[in-house]
Amino acid sequence: QVQLVQSGAEVKKPGASVKVSCKASGYTITGYYMHWVRQAPGQGLEWMGWIDPNNGGTNYAQKFQGRVTMTRDTSISTAYMELSRLRSDDTAVYYCARDLEVVTATLPDIWGQGTMVTVSS
Amino acid sequence: EIVLTQSPGTLSLSPGEGATLSCRASQSISNNYLAWYQQKPGQAPRLLIYGASNRATGIPDRFSGSGSGTDFTLTISRLEPEDFAVYYCQQYGSSRITFGQGTRLEIK
Repeated sequence: QVQLVQSGAEVKKPGASVKVSCKASGYTITGYYMHWVRQAPGQGLEWMGWIDPNNGGTNYAQKFQGRVTMTRDTSISTAYMELSRLRSDDTAVYYCARDLEVVTATLPDIWGQGTMVTVSS
Repeated sequence: EIVLTQSPGTLSLSPGEGATLSCRASQSISNNYLAWYQQKPGQAPRLLIYGASNRATGIPDRFSGSGSGTDFTLTISRLEPEDFAVYYCQQYGSSRITFGQGTRLEIK
């Protein structure tokens, strides 16, 4: 079955970077766009962007332009999201989510379990 | 950026009752690319409805979506105990996806 398994919780200091991984199984990673969505404690969902694992193309939310980098390693079916210059308000659960449709960008469908990133001095 | 406003913020109902959740967009959503998600505490969101009215795989038919343009509705008929959760609408008609702030559906 399709599954996305994310890396474990992280604690970072302000100004540092964090890189979260998302390993896909049960399907070919290059067939579906991968979205990243975050959720601050007690807050709503915030879309960060997507990556096309087939060619590495990306589309980032305006808010994260210049601070986020989404990449992938197709040889190990893994997508990555790196966020730099961390601030306390970046404390959140970060989710990867596979797109609903094959080879096109639509919306997140199948989600990983989430990775808690805490930014604290 | 398309802003989505959900109402009400909290809805208190009893099992067996029907629920109506609203989502209003700041501008018309292309192709009615509007989705609904359910999220329970400590869990990832689950896709319920996409394209305004299409149920995702495995979603019970007591969940239905409707609407077009800027006004959309999620209807849950005959609430089950497991339906009490937070519901988010989301638009994917523009190049940048946005979510509503959520409606909490709680047991009365």
